[in-house]
Amino acid sequence: QKEVEQNSGPLSVPEGAIASLNCTYSDRVSQSFFWYRQYSGKSPELIMSIYSNGDKEDGRFTAQLNKASQYVSLLIRDSQPSDSATYLCAASPYGQNFVFGPGTRLSVLP
Amino acid sequence: EPEVTQTPSHQVTQMGQEVILRCVPISNHLYFYWYRQILGQKVEFLVSFYNNEISEKSEIFDDQFSVERPDGSNFTLKIRSTKLEDSAMYFCANGQGNNSPLHFGNGTRLTVT
Repeated sequence: QKEVEQNSGPLSVPEGAIASLNCTYSDRVSQSFFWYRQYSGKSPELIMSIYSNGDKEDGRFTAQLNKASQYVSLLIRDSQPSDSATYLCAASPYGQNFVFGPGTRLSVLP
Repeated sequence: EPEVTQTPSHQVTQMGQEVILRCVPISNHLYFYWYRQILGQKVEFLVSFYNNEISEKSEIFDDQFSVERPDGSNFTLKIRSTKLEDSAMYFCANGQGNNSPLHFGNGTRLTVT
């Protein structure tokens, strides 16, 4: 049984701070990892994908993957109120369906 | 950027009725998925579809559910006899396979009364 775990939050950070979101997964065959952002009542929107150990940066977002520890994280620098949303971590073994975590609710306070 | 389009955006139906949710995927993305999200809960996998057949399905996807590509482009999810617990957001997603990310449609909110 594949499981993806996240702290549900809410995680509150002040505007301009770094938000750190964490995710662990139970399935050692997962090869692909994704972070999605979901605003209330809306569909998941892809932010980052990461496939190999280490860091991957895209603008204000940095994804980190540690396959040995089965751990994925997302850092959001210079957090903005518009970043307030639920962040979903997803894992996918090669060629199989995506398994989503329950999401972490982020609140960026102006 | 190409979009995945879902219709209707909101469907209200009575228990026991059949519903069909529709999706127009991105044209060159050959992998199709249906996910659902009950209010306040996680996004759950229902079924994946590739090369005109189901490639994987979850325990949720029982005999009441079916998927089709009726005209080679649209992708539908049918629930034959809806139950109250089928009330959820249903998302169609589309991908290119080979570990590529999924792109989600805007979803259909299904309310079963």
